Amino acid sequence: AQTVTQSQPEMSVQEAETVTLSCTYDTSESDYYLFWYKQPPSRQMILVIRQEAYKQQNATENRFSVNFQKAAKSFSLKISDSQLGDAAMYFCAYTSRQGGSEKLVFGKGTKLTVNP
Amino acid sequence: DTGVSQDPRHKITKRGQNVTFRCDPISEHNRLYWYRQTLGQGPEFLTYFQNEAQLEKSRLLSDRFSAERPKGSFSTLEIQRTEQGDSAMYLCARAGGPNGELFFGEGSRLTVL
Repeated sequence: AQTVTQSQPEMSVQEAETVTLSCTYDTSESDYYLFWYKQPPSRQMILVIRQEAYKQQNATENRFSVNFQKAAKSFSLKISDSQLGDAAMYFCAYTSRQGGSEKLVFGKGTKLTVNP
Repeated sequence: DTGVSQDPRHKITKRGQNVTFRCDPISEHNRLYWYRQTLGQGPEFLTYFQNEAQLEKSRLLSDRFSAERPKGSFSTLEIQRTEQGDSAMYLCARAGGPNGELFFGEGSRLTVL
């Protein structure tokens, strides 16, 4: 069974600085997607960024980028120029492309605090 | 807007009572998922539907839990004889396209006293 591990329960960053959230995963499959989701307090979970395992190029979305190391099964999220609105729980998630569904396996999350 | 509405947003009940949650996705997405999220944890998969067919159920979904999706549109999740351990956020999500992502509703928070 696939597992996702986020080893940082909490992180903090100063406004305008850069922070990196870590994620490792375990799978025997070669074709899958990885995601970072953001869950602000009392608000719905939203997709931040996705990475397809067959793509070597790291995904970027504005201030958000990932460092995808397939051999190491590592998938970290870098947030540049942090803003107060980035404060939230961040979840790393995995889904297989072989199962015919979008069933996600989540890590336990990292709580990000942005200090003004 | 993620195209998923959930109701109620918060339910407080006494142990032993039955509760039902509803999820309304925008109509054209045929796969719908239920997750449970307890405090300080990531969401855990419960079950999913393709149209009206329930295709997979987690072992977390005990016999006190039942989910339905009549006519392949909205879905309900019922918990019978609630226990304090059922206290959690229940999240509904719809499939979002060809890239494997899910789009989540705001969730239904259950508190069992």
